[in-house]
Amino acid sequence: DVKVTQSSRYLVKRTGEKVFLECVQDMDHENMFWYRQDPGLGLRLIYFSYDVKMKEKGDIPEGYSVSREKKERFSLILESASTNQTSMYLCASRIAGTGSYNEQFFGPGTRLTVL
Amino acid sequence: GESVGLHLPTLSVQEGDNSIINCAYSNSASDYFIWYKQESGKGPQFIIDIRSNMDKRQGQRVTVLLNKTVKHLSLQIAATQPGDSAVYFCAEKITGNQFYFGTGTSLTVIP
Repeated sequence: DVKVTQSSRYLVKRTGEKVFLECVQDMDHENMFWYRQDPGLGLRLIYFSYDVKMKEKGDIPEGYSVSREKKERFSLILESASTNQTSMYLCASRIAGTGSYNEQFFGPGTRLTVL
Repeated sequence: GESVGLHLPTLSVQEGDNSIINCAYSNSASDYFIWYKQESGKGPQFIIDIRSNMDKRQGQRVTVLLNKTVKHLSLQIAATQPGDSAVYFCAEKITGNQFYFGTGTSLTVIP
């Protein structure tokens, strides 16, 4: 089974803090994704990565950055956390291939609260 | 813009009945669709998928129907069980690697 793990299930930070959310997958997937999930809005893509050291902005990249130094690990960084970044953050991975019909595998999520 | 949405935000069914969850999409070029189940406090889990060259696909107790004419997707769950209670949402592949997700329908199974 594909396993996607996230470093924390719950996280509480203060406004202005730098926050790191870590995601690790064990299936050698090339593609990795970071989403945030808010009530009534569904999953919104923040950033994704095609491969190591490659990244692309998603729909809502403002206030976030990412790092992919190793294939299995994709980190989401909040440079200066703000209260409007309180949300559930979901990481996902997927086999590469623009024509491939493969689902994304999700981690359990990190519930981040910014006070 | 493109959108994937669900007609009903909540659905309650009696245990043993069949459930139908609907999804509308607007991008006629989308060629791949997925249904996910998300239980409380967990990440989304894959249920079933369908390519645009198919109208119907069946899994274990689940069936996905795709109507490209009206850009409509549905998930049917047979003999719904309490363990089926969750949020269900559809996803549409809009580019080679990106998906667009619906907001979800909360399914409650009444014992």
